[in-house]
Amino acid sequence: SAVISQKPSRDICQRGTSLTIQCQVDSQVTMMFWYRQQPGQSLTLIATANQGSEATYESGFVIDKFPISRPNLTFSTLTVSNMSPEDSSIYLCSVEVPSGSIDEQFFGPGTRLTVL
Amino acid sequence: GQQVMQIPQYQHVQEGEDFTTYCNSSTTLSNIQWYKQRPGGHPVFLIQLVKSGEVKKQKRLTFQFGEAKKNSSLHITATQTTDVGTYFCAGRAQNAGNMLTFGGGTRLMVKP
Repeated sequence: SAVISQKPSRDICQRGTSLTIQCQVDSQVTMMFWYRQQPGQSLTLIATANQGSEATYESGFVIDKFPISRPNLTFSTLTVSNMSPEDSSIYLCSVEVPSGSIDEQFFGPGTRLTVL
Repeated sequence: GQQVMQIPQYQHVQEGEDFTTYCNSSTTLSNIQWYKQRPGGHPVFLIQLVKSGEVKKQKRLTFQFGEAKKNSSLHITATQTTDVGTYFCAGRAQNAGNMLTFGGGTRLMVKP
């Protein structure tokens, strides 16, 4: 299993500013992901954070808007840049921990972002 | 790209009634996972299905993976108020790396 913490848990930000979200895992993991979840909606994968290389972004998400760092196997950050109200959402970090034939994903508690 | 559809979007049931949510993928899956998210919480892994036609049970929960590995279902027998939450399926397409695509979720509400 894996225990994940995220900081901050919530924030209210002004339009045009940037926010960096931190994700800390209690064990070394290879696969780390960042998701966005609008209230009452499903999870949308933003990117896969790879240690030692650039993140891999999904369609509709770009590095300039969502720069990601992955300095080691237990930590990652996601920055939401030049924010607009449309960026208001819950941002979740998750890790994949193989257990036999099962690749279970563990999620952090999320960061609730409100952009005014 | 791969799409995973889930129905229904919402379901209200009386406590003690059964509940089923269905998941359909546009592509063949290598495996499918199910997650539960309580209100205000984060998704928690429930189970993974890998084999065609596989059926797994967890107490009152029964999970099925279709023969064509493109659909799945979660059935809850005799719902309880503790079953309240949103149930997501998440499919991993064949030849699509490690990416999980989540369905839209089914929000279950249970009236006591």
